[in-house]
Amino acid sequence: EAQVTQNPRYLITVTGKKLTVTCSQNMNHEYMSWYRQDPGLGLRQIYYSMNVEATDKGDVPEGYKVSRKEKRNFPLILESPSPNQTSLYFCASRGLVDVGSSTDTQYFGPGTRLTVL
Amino acid sequence: AQKVTQAQTEISVVEKEDVTLDCVYETRDTTYYLFWYKQPPSGELVFLIRRNSFDEQNEISGRYSWNFQKSTSSFNFTITASQVVDSAVYFCALSEADSGNTPLVFGKGTRLSVIA
Repeated sequence: EAQVTQNPRYLITVTGKKLTVTCSQNMNHEYMSWYRQDPGLGLRQIYYSMNVEATDKGDVPEGYKVSRKEKRNFPLILESPSPNQTSLYFCASRGLVDVGSSTDTQYFGPGTRLTVL
Repeated sequence: AQKVTQAQTEISVVEKEDVTLDCVYETRDTTYYLFWYKQPPSGELVFLIRRNSFDEQNEISGRYSWNFQKSTSSFNFTITASQVVDSAVYFCALSEADSGNTPLVFGKGTRLSVIA
């Protein structure tokens, strides 16, 4: 089954304690990205990766790091989490888009709800 | 720059009523995709539809229908005979249609509450 998995699904932590949210896809997709969702703001892109060892900033990258050492994995790293990073995080991956179809272009993970105290 | 506006923050309807969720978008691209996602209380994003910019045909899927109008840059979503299970946050989104970084640009969402 084609899927994007994220772990953990829920995490409560304290300010300054480094954490990593893992993301893995089994579809051999080149493109992966991270979004955060905040009330009243919708979802915003944090970082993206076009392929292994190729990452770049999205719209809200401050306070986050990513790495892409393998095609299937794209972890999100918070070196020193702060309360303003409390949010719902989604990982997504995308392969070749079938322009003529109407299927979704991205596969989203189930989300990780992070609370930073 | 791309932008998606969902002017309705929250809507409440009584079960069996019809409800339309508005979505207005801005883009300079001639080729783009429009989406609707549903986010139930469990939090996951459920894909509902993708519409390509060159296809202005309206779409109906059961109780759901979508009205895409390029002339007004709108992509509205109507639920007919709403049910309690339709209660969720609905997001409209837009992306370019190329192979680079084409993030989804989301609206802020509309929270729909269907009351029994």
